[in-house]
Amino acid sequence: DVKVTQSSRYLVKRTGEKVFLECVQDMDHENMFWYRQDPGLGLRLIYFSYDVKMKEKGDIPEGYSVSREKKERFSLILESASTNQTSMYLCASSLWLSYNEQFFGPGTRLTVL
Amino acid sequence: AQKVTQAQTEISVVEKEDVTLDCVYETRDTTYYLFWYKQPPSGELVFLIRRNSFDEQNEISGRYSWNFQKSTSSFNFTITASQVVDSAVYFCALSERDGGSRLTFGEGTQLTVNP
Repeated sequence: DVKVTQSSRYLVKRTGEKVFLECVQDMDHENMFWYRQDPGLGLRLIYFSYDVKMKEKGDIPEGYSVSREKKERFSLILESASTNQTSMYLCASSLWLSYNEQFFGPGTRLTVL
Repeated sequence: AQKVTQAQTEISVVEKEDVTLDCVYETRDTTYYLFWYKQPPSGELVFLIRRNSFDEQNEISGRYSWNFQKSTSSFNFTITASQVVDSAVYFCALSERDGGSRLTFGEGTQLTVNP
């Protein structure tokens, strides 16, 4: 069974903390994605990566960075967490071509106090 | 730029009713792909269907059916004889040919099926 796993389901952090969200996929997919989901806004793409050490900005990259040192792992970093980054974060992966569906992890609900 | 609109924020029906979820998209590409995903209360998005821009045939899978109409840029999703287990948030999404499987999502429709 294909799997995308995320390091935490729930996370509570304080303003100004550095936060790492980890995502691992076991499907040997080239592409990996980080989204945030907020009510009424759907899923918005933060960053994506189509290869190791490669990254592309999505629609809302401000305040975030990413790291992809290995093909199966894609990390989202909040350098200095702020309350407006309280959200559900979803990781996904897919094969390279545009017709391929994305497979999603269970999500991390991050609360920044 | 591409855009997906799901105008229905919330829909509530009684079990066994049929329900249609609307999806309208915008793209300048002639080759693109449309998707529907389901997000149950557990949170994980589940892939339901993919359609490419050259295939306007409607699709039926059990109680689910999809109507793709390029003339109106719509890709609507119908659940026949709805069940409580269909309660979820449903997302429509678009991928363009040169987008490398990057998806643009709609806002989502919360469907509640009451017993």
